[in-house]
Amino acid sequence: LAKTTQPISMDSYEGQEVNITCSHNNIATNDYITWYQQFPSQGPRFIIQGYKTKVTNEVASLFIPADRKSSTLSLPRVSLSDTAVYYCLVASREDTGRRALTFGSGTRLQVQP
Amino acid sequence: GAVVSQHPSWVICKSGTSVKIECRSLDFQATTMFWYRQFPKQSLMLMATSNEGSKATYEQGVEKDKFLINHASLTLSTLTVTSAHPEDSSFYICSARDVQVTNEQYFGPGTRLTVT
Repeated sequence: LAKTTQPISMDSYEGQEVNITCSHNNIATNDYITWYQQFPSQGPRFIIQGYKTKVTNEVASLFIPADRKSSTLSLPRVSLSDTAVYYCLVASREDTGRRALTFGSGTRLQVQP
Repeated sequence: GAVVSQHPSWVICKSGTSVKIECRSLDFQATTMFWYRQFPKQSLMLMATSNEGSKATYEQGVEKDKFLINHASLTLSTLTVTSAHPEDSSFYICSARDVQVTNEQYFGPGTRLTVT
């Protein structure tokens, strides 16, 4: 069964850069990688999406190596309000050949003052 | 921007009763909607994918007779939890895919279901 794994938790301080990596070794060929932020008792909020190399928007950057078996979300200069759980979402190809949408295990980011 | 709503935001029901949760795309048309379930401190697990006008596709281990999904229009999908039991208590989240922006899912705010 394809697994999409992330570190369980990370700690950081305000103003620092945070990098969160997601491993997705069975990613489907033509699908995008998407990252979401989730606060308690809320739905996930879109952060960034990419297919390969590097994507940057006003809140984050996403780095994807050539083999696309992992991706790294980079949050520049985090603030206290960035304390949340971060998930990657990929479409993986299972052993049966079926394409399955899979959320990563989630990384709980705690930002300290 | 694309907005997805869910109703109700929370519901408490007695064991054995059925509960319906609505998911609406407010400012776009969604040919595909997804239903997820999330237990405390866990990731989101996809339950089913529904396409407008056709039967939903359920993930392995999800009982289709227990979790009834109807996607009757391009802006509305419903999830009915039938004969609910305490173990069905969870956070249910829907998402919708814009027909014109097929790579992105827009998530609803979630519905907290508590079965007593």
